[in-house]
Amino acid sequence: GEDVEQSLFLSVREGDSSVINCTYTDSSSTYLYWYKQEPGAGLQLLTYIFSNMDMKQDQRLTVLLNKKDKHLSLRIADTQTGDSAIYFCAEMRGSYIPTFGRGTSLIVHP
Amino acid sequence: DTGVSQDPRHKITKRGQNVTFRCDPISEHNRLYWYRQTLGQGPEFLTYFQNEAQLEKSRLLSDRFSAERPKGSFSTLEIQRTEQGDSAMYLCASSAPGQGYYEQYFGPGTRLTVT
Repeated sequence: GEDVEQSLFLSVREGDSSVINCTYTDSSSTYLYWYKQEPGAGLQLLTYIFSNMDMKQDQRLTVLLNKKDKHLSLRIADTQTGDSAIYFCAEMRGSYIPTFGRGTSLIVHP
Repeated sequence: DTGVSQDPRHKITKRGQNVTFRCDPISEHNRLYWYRQTLGQGPEFLTYFQNEAQLEKSRLLSDRFSAERPKGSFSTLEIQRTEQGDSAMYLCASSAPGQGYYEQYFGPGTRLTVT
């Protein structure tokens, strides 16, 4: 199966919170990442969390890590139409090479 | 800081032709990575360099693919005898030792279409 799994789609209304979930398989993962990709563009590093942390907050973004369940989530507060994009979860092990999920397409309705 | 740049942004080629892509990393970043991304998938690692040295290659990198970074700055990725299955977005990323190499910054990608 996939090393990193994400649901493919999420639809929210503007102003609501979005929560994008990810599960990974390797308990030795050191860093876990969230990247954003807009149509036709490369990936933008949004945030990442070290495996010894449970939570990281950065302005509208909150990352939660549950190591026991190997579950990572990204919460976007006050979601805007400009947040519409594909969000990739990735895990990094010792080789400094991240393994990416298939991405979650976030659609924000006005 | 100008970010990672890639050239060309789009390339259309006929099957069997050779193509070459270029990546310019962020100036102080000594690691450079190549990824391939197909529709509906996340990026898949191809290879990476530390300075001039190519340190790791994925099994995805067939014999038709070759990458170089001759002076430890820009890198080129060449695909020989292109096949329709090579159609994808080719992404380059770079990272720096000062950040423990944990932060990779991506370029805009080169979209290859093989007809």
